[in-house]
Parts: sequence; C-alpha cells; structure tokens
Amino acid sequence: DQQVKQNSPSLSVQEGRISILNCDYTNSMFDYFLWYKKYPAEGPTFLISISSIKDKNEDGRFTVFLNKSAKHLSLHIVPSQPGDSAVYFCAASDRKAIQGAQKLVFGQGTRLTINP
Amino acid sequence: DAGVIQSPRHEVTEMGQEVTLRCKPISGHDYLFWYRQTMMRGLELLIYFNNNVPIDDSGMPEDRFSAKMPNASFSTLKIQPSEPRDSAVYFCASRGGTQYFGPGTRLTVL
Repeated sequence: DQQVKQNSPSLSVQEGRISILNCDYTNSMFDYFLWYKKYPAEGPTFLISISSIKDKNEDGRFTVFLNKSAKHLSLHIVPSQPGDSAVYFCAASDRKAIQGAQKLVFGQGTRLTINP
Repeated sequence: DAGVIQSPRHEVTEMGQEVTLRCKPISGHDYLFWYRQTMMRGLELLIYFNNNVPIDDSGMPEDRFSAKMPNASFSTLKIQPSEPRDSAVYFCASRGGTQYFGPGTRLTVL
C-alpha cells in the first residue's frame, strides 16, 4: 500500500508561471513532511520541509502548504525557472514513533518540465 | 566534504550473480539509509543503521538482500543471487539534520 502518493507523474509549466506539485498521504500519524528534488544521475537533494503544527512554510520561491484534514500537501514554485526542471519527491515521517531516525516514506515522484 | 559516496555508479550483471554495492557516508553522520528507486514504487527504504547497528530492515525485500555497516565510514548492500527484478537505482543516504543522498548505483540484472 502506498502511504504517500503523487498522482501526477509529470507536469509541464511555462517559465515564469507558477508550478504546483501535489502529494496525498494516508497515514494520519505522519507529522513531518519534506520535498526533495532530483536531477538525472544525481541523488535527491532536500528542498523544503513542514511540520504538522504549521500549514505553510516558505523559502524563497518555494512554498509548501499542508492541509491536515485532507491529508494533502503541495509545493508551489513561483516564478518557475528552467533550472527547476527535475523530479520532485514528496516524503513523510512519523517523528514521534521513531525519535531521531527520520524514517521517510516517499511518493513515486513528479517530473516537472519548465518550458522557456 | 565530498558528500555521500557510492560505488560503483553502474553495475551490469547476469542473473544469479552476487552484487555488492558500497557506500561511504558523510563523516559525523550517525544514521545511514539504503533506498531503492523503481518506476513503479518510487523510492523505498530498504534498511537503516544507527551508529553502525541495523535498526529497521523491514523494507528488505527478500533474504537475498543483506546489508552491513562494519564501521562508521562504510556500508555494503549485497544481493545474492541477483534477479532481473532487482534492476533499479540504489541510493545510500546519511543523516545530519536531514538526509543527504549519494548519487546512486544503477543496477541492471540481465
């Protein structure tokens, strides 16, 4: 069973516009959520995170929104740039269950393409 | 720091052969994770270590898979015997604050 789901395998956005990547989760015990970005032939790199006590976290052009009642989070990129073209993974963790380990459950990823 | 180092970067082998993947974590990180990435299932956690001790191996798919961490600077993931369905990209990550991933090993089993 997929506890973290990214239902859009790919997304294409015009440069300068907003990119919105979505993620749904099923485990209500998850209390920490992360987004990772992955370029071809490289490992994923951490982008931004949010704790369940917040509903929004912003870092420059990147903002993550969390809707706990809907078990849904989204990543907004504004404005989108060609260098943002990559695969984006959503991940979740139950920090209370395993202190310190940050055992992450990942989604399948969404390939974002920014068109000039 | 050079980051998490994995070797080899690519491995092509025949079904039934033993495969060993290697990982050097970032110095000072006390957690090490092994993941597998496939198109169907995305990134799956296979096993993780804390201070060289395996803590959770519930993600290891079968007994054919084994992992060791003999010291703080080295870990291996072994598949014996390998099968075509093991073909995937295998990532190692170490944790200091958040998880830092290596570049991965692309394994192809023919």
